[in-house]
Amino acid sequence: EADIYQTPRYLVIGTGKKITLECSQTMGHDKMYWYQQDPGMELHLIHYSYGVNSTEKGDLSSESTVSRIRTEHFPLTLESARPSHTSQYLCASSQGITDTQYFGPGTRLTVL
Amino acid sequence: QKEVEQNSGPLSVPEGAIASLNCTYSDRGSQSFFWYRQYSGKSPELIMSIYSNGDKEDGRFTAQLNKASQYVSLLIRDSQPSDSATYLCAGSNYQLIWGAGTKLIIKP
Repeated sequence: EADIYQTPRYLVIGTGKKITLECSQTMGHDKMYWYQQDPGMELHLIHYSYGVNSTEKGDLSSESTVSRIRTEHFPLTLESARPSHTSQYLCASSQGITDTQYFGPGTRLTVL
Repeated sequence: QKEVEQNSGPLSVPEGAIASLNCTYSDRGSQSFFWYRQYSGKSPELIMSIYSNGDKEDGRFTAQLNKASQYVSLLIRDSQPSDSATYLCAGSNYQLIWGAGTKLIIKP
């Protein structure tokens, strides 16, 4: 079982603020992912990384950006938060080709 | 468009009965399949993975894979109220494709 951490767990901010959601994993997994999920709705992949200095956009268009400077760290940044960004953001990681993904506890973001 | 389809439910099952959850997929190249459980407001947690045709059992859970018919199922025996959750099916052909999930309700 992977140890994967997300901070903050809950965040309420005003429109226009810049925010960074943190995600770290201690298992040395090469692949990391960010998902967006509204309550009762399906998972949407917004960003993924297959290794250091490698990032790709997912299926759902997002105004966020990500970076992967270290294997264990995959932060997501919103330059200017808007109410439409209100959602739960889930970070996950996996190793090798099996694609078994392990999820962090999530960050619930509310933009007022 | 690669897809994984699930009935959104809710699927209501009496306590102690067998809950049967089904999933179909469109990508014949998919090699790995996963069932995750997600409680309301929580993150998904892995229940089982299956890679070969046939059945795979783990405690009260049995995953079934039929690649010829392109479906995956999850059986939960002796269903408990704590099994009430949304169950997500996912298939992988180098990238994981998620279903929208089936909401399961176990009635005491």
